[in-house]
Amino acid sequence: QQQVKQSPQSLIVQKGGISIINCAYENTAFDYFPWYQQFPGKGPALLIAIRPDVSEKKEGRFTISFNKSAKQFSLHIMDSQPGDSATYFCAASRRGGKLIFGQGTELSVKP
Amino acid sequence: GAVVSQHPSWVICKSGTSVKIECRSLDFQATTMFWYRQFPKQSLMLMATSNEGSKATYEQGVEKDKFLINHASLTLSTLTVTSAHPEDSSFYICSARVPGGKYSNQPQHFGDGTRLSIL
Repeated sequence: QQQVKQSPQSLIVQKGGISIINCAYENTAFDYFPWYQQFPGKGPALLIAIRPDVSEKKEGRFTISFNKSAKQFSLHIMDSQPGDSATYFCAASRRGGKLIFGQGTELSVKP
Repeated sequence: GAVVSQHPSWVICKSGTSVKIECRSLDFQATTMFWYRQFPKQSLMLMATSNEGSKATYEQGVEKDKFLINHASLTLSTLTVTSAHPEDSSFYICSARVPGGKYSNQPQHFGDGTRLSIL
């Protein structure tokens, strides 16, 4: 019940396209859902986060869509750029609790 | 804001030595810090939760005597890998939780990691 399942494992998108990464969780007590971006040899950087009281959050080219009833959330990267090539992790946590990470998605944006 | 600094970024040492990794929150006070381990092309694995002024809470399967954690101040936590062996080689990452208030609730910000190589 603590797992967060992320898909796909890897993703190749053409420059200018839309990258979509999906995550599913089981624990309904989770109330915080962040996405992290990690470049090789670096720590993860917080990209965007959402709480279950909203269905969508947008920051620039990055959008989180949240479906509470389905216990799923996804990251959409609009107008994907080669500089977006990185590994993306979804995560979930309860208030004050530890982050549970997804397995990660390696995104490659081709010029 | 919300910068977490980790030092060193890379360390190579001989088998049997102990290695200390520092994690500092530069512009905020962190009552809670976390230590993760990451193998190539894998997700982050939480090793322990470090609370200022108290003992760390270790995840199941993590050896407390092998990975010593000290959180002596609100801006510094250290991880010491004792008697390191080649199987301890990995990417170690710390994070700090930003308290509520100026920043949004519950975010964790990560350091840039320490690549540990044991020969």
